[in-house]
Order: sequence, then C-alpha cells, then structure tokens
Amino acid sequence: QKEVEQDPGPLSVPEGAIVSLNCTYSNSAFQYFMWYRQYSRKGPELLMYTYSSGNKEDGRFTAQVDKSSKYISLFIRDSQPSDSATYLCAMSGTGGFKTIFGAGTRLFVKA
Amino acid sequence: DTAVSQTPKYLVTQMGNDKSIKCEQNLGHDTMYWYKQDSKKFLKIMFSYNNKELIINETVPNRFSPKSPDKAHLNLHINSLELGDSAVYFCASSQPQGTGEKLFFGSGTQLSVL
Repeated sequence: QKEVEQDPGPLSVPEGAIVSLNCTYSNSAFQYFMWYRQYSRKGPELLMYTYSSGNKEDGRFTAQVDKSSKYISLFIRDSQPSDSATYLCAMSGTGGFKTIFGAGTRLFVKA
Repeated sequence: DTAVSQTPKYLVTQMGNDKSIKCEQNLGHDTMYWYKQDSKKFLKIMFSYNNKELIINETVPNRFSPKSPDKAHLNLHINSLELGDSAVYFCASSQPQGTGEKLFFGSGTQLSVL
C-alpha cells in the first residue's frame, strides 16, 4: 500500500461546477498537508498549506483535513477553465525535509 | 526573476552517456531537492540537501550523484544513462516552516534516453 493514495482521474467537469479532490494516507505521523497545482509542462506550485486537522479557505479553494480518517480534500468552487491542471496532494511529518506526494488528479474544466 | 531555475529544459541523449542538470535558487532557502516525476505524474523525492549537506538520499542508483557547491545551487549528474531514467526531473527549494516545508519547484528537465 502506498503511503498516499490519490485517484489519478481524469476528472472532467463543466465550468462553474464544484470540484472535490481527495487523498487518503496511511502514516499517522503526517502533520502538514499541502495541495500543489501543476500545469502542463510546468513545475508544481503550492496552492494550499494546512497544519493538522481542520479547514482552510483561500478564495475559491478550500482545503479540509480529517486526521481521524486520514483523509484530505480540496474543494474548488465556481471552477474555471484556467483551473484545468493536475492537482497533487502532499504531506510531511515532523522533522521536515521529506514531502510525500500523491499520484495527482488530472482535472479538466470545460467552458 | 525566476525563483528556482534549472537547465537544460530538455535533454535527449543516448543510453550509456553521462549528463548533468543544473539548478539555482534565488529565494535564500537553506534546503534544496531533486524530485523525479514519471510518465504517470508520480513525483518522488531523490535527494535533499540542507546548507550543502546531504540529508535525504532515497533508494536511487549510485549512477545519480548530486552536488551542492553552495546553498543556492544543486546539480545532478547521471552516469551511464539507462532507458528507465527517462522522466522529468524537478529541482525544488524550501525554507522549513516550523517542521513542515513549502516547496518551490523549477520548471523541470525532460530527460529522454534513447
């Protein structure tokens, strides 16, 4: 079993839809949870960063962490064609220096 | 100015050759990394350096040798290239936020071994 599981998709939605992206993990030592967005032929860029359980909102994006279920989510409201990208969940534990990534979910938002 | 820059962007070479990828960051970060992304987009850490010292060396063939001349630079040298080395290699840097890090990635080097 991989440490971080993420459905690779692809996920195709119409413009304006609410998108839900999810990851599960097995290592209870993870404390920091991130979402990265990667456009085609580009490097991943940090989208959301949360510590421990709870919600974090930034504009149209909301990140949720449920440590009891070892489950994290990213919600995108009012999705736009410019949101079409691969979204990678990532997490790390105490001590830093090693971030584990999910496989990435490819999202297409159709105009 | 580009925060994390790596060169070359594309690298096409024959099996058995030796090649290098260079990375520089101007963010003032202490930690730099090499990640490998395979054709299925799976991103896996290879090496991590903190202040020029190697701190993470994942199960990577010893044909891969990182070198950090200073904390702003991290290069990757690959000997005797194999077909399976074909992938996108990303350099990244971070300044640990407490004990979790926010990674800043370069735009990647697409390596194709023929």
